[in-house]
Amino acid sequence: NAGVTQTPKFQVLKTGQSMTLQCAQDMNHNSMYWYRQDPGMGLRLIYYSASEGTTDKGEVPNGYNVSRLNKREFSLRLESAAPSQTSVYFCASSRLDSYEQYFGPGTRLTVT
Amino acid sequence: AQSVAQPEDQVNVAEGNPLTVKCTYSVSGNPYLFWYVQYPNRGLQFLLKYITGDNLVKGSYGFEAEFNKSQTSFHLKKPSALVSDSALYFCAVRDPLHSGNTPLVFGKGTRLSVIA
Repeated sequence: NAGVTQTPKFQVLKTGQSMTLQCAQDMNHNSMYWYRQDPGMGLRLIYYSASEGTTDKGEVPNGYNVSRLNKREFSLRLESAAPSQTSVYFCASSRLDSYEQYFGPGTRLTVT
Repeated sequence: AQSVAQPEDQVNVAEGNPLTVKCTYSVSGNPYLFWYVQYPNRGLQFLLKYITGDNLVKGSYGFEAEFNKSQTSFHLKKPSALVSDSALYFCAVRDPLHSGNTPLVFGKGTRLSVIA
């Protein structure tokens, strides 16, 4: 099993450009999450999907949209990137009856 | 609201000495508590969890954590530190009174540095 995979690993964008971060899991998990990690801020939840067909905002949703494409895939879209969105983005997944989350390797995004 | 605090940004310990990384929490019910570790340029890896039962929980790589309800703490411990334990450690909590599969709330992280 690959676990949780994320693409791309690195990305540089100019202010105003758009992009989609992809996440997929092969563990048959119901719930998926997007976090951003910034120095001194820990992990902050952007959006999550408790189950296929549902999405909810987290702590810092502004400037982002998400799509739960199917049970395996959960994408994060930046419509108009801003320098404040420079961060490392992590996707995670978990079973419905277990709150232990499994994390992907991350996407390092720089917005200039 | 649920929250978790890691009061130390950095912990330094000599190799072979015991280590402790502190975590305190705030929830309205009995908490579910977790520790994760992050090595450089990697995602977070699960170390251990407390859901119910024995207050001393054993996890991966020789780590353990003690749930203390009266002090609302869940400190991570290891009897003898290794240089390879150097990493960023996150404590996380979930309040089981929340319905549905709401996410974990993470602390800001504590950087552990083990010196040879």
